[in-house]
Amino acid sequence: EVQLVESGGGLVQPGGSLRLSCVASGFGFSTYWMTWVRQAPGKGLEWVANIKQDGSEKYYVDSVKGRFTSSKDNAKNSLYLQMNSLRAEDTAVYYCARGRGYCTSTTCQIYYFDYWGQGTLVTVSS
Amino acid sequence: QSALTQPPSASGSPGQSVTISCTGTSSDVGGYNFVSWYQLHPGKAPKLIIYEVSKRPSGVPDRFSGSKSGNTASLTVSGLQAEDETDYYCSSYAGSNNLVVFGGGTKLTVL
Repeated sequence: EVQLVESGGGLVQPGGSLRLSCVASGFGFSTYWMTWVRQAPGKGLEWVANIKQDGSEKYYVDSVKGRFTSSKDNAKNSLYLQMNSLRAEDTAVYYCARGRGYCTSTTCQIYYFDYWGQGTLVTVSS
Repeated sequence: QSALTQPPSASGSPGQSVTISCTGTSSDVGGYNFVSWYQLHPGKAPKLIIYEVSKRPSGVPDRFSGSKSGNTASLTVSGLQAEDETDYYCSSYAGSNNLVVFGGGTKLTVL
């Protein structure tokens, strides 16, 4: 059974940092792209970041570029999201998800997410 | 404001069918057959119910179906059941840098 379990959320002051973790089980973690998606209170879902199987390619939504960094430790079946310079608008439930899509020999288009965790809440407030 | 437009609510009686729309542009929904739909029950992990416009993952009932015409995708839930009452979100690939955009979500009520 595929399982994704996020942790690391909490209350942080504006300008602060937080590191989210996602531990995967039940599938070959090293062979999949992984994704972070967030949902602000009362709002819709927002794609945040993708990371390639080996961590060599990373993509971010414009609003977090330069502040958030995604990483992957395949030996520990773990995905991370380092969040710096946090803002009130980053307040959200953060989900990790397994990314799927279409790949050629040179590139991948990741466009759907077939397994998700239950999420971890990040609150940015003074 | 979300990139894709969904109606905030939809409803139907048990056994009836309901369709939820998802409108984008030629840069996302209209440009790719990469539309997905997700079901979100409060406190539970989101669940993929449709991918690549109309494909169902294993285990998803065939009561759920997807389609697309131009810049608008649709999710149809047939034979409504009480357990279908929850929030539904569409998403689409949006091009470079692996950008994926979501809709604002639709709350489905089973009357």
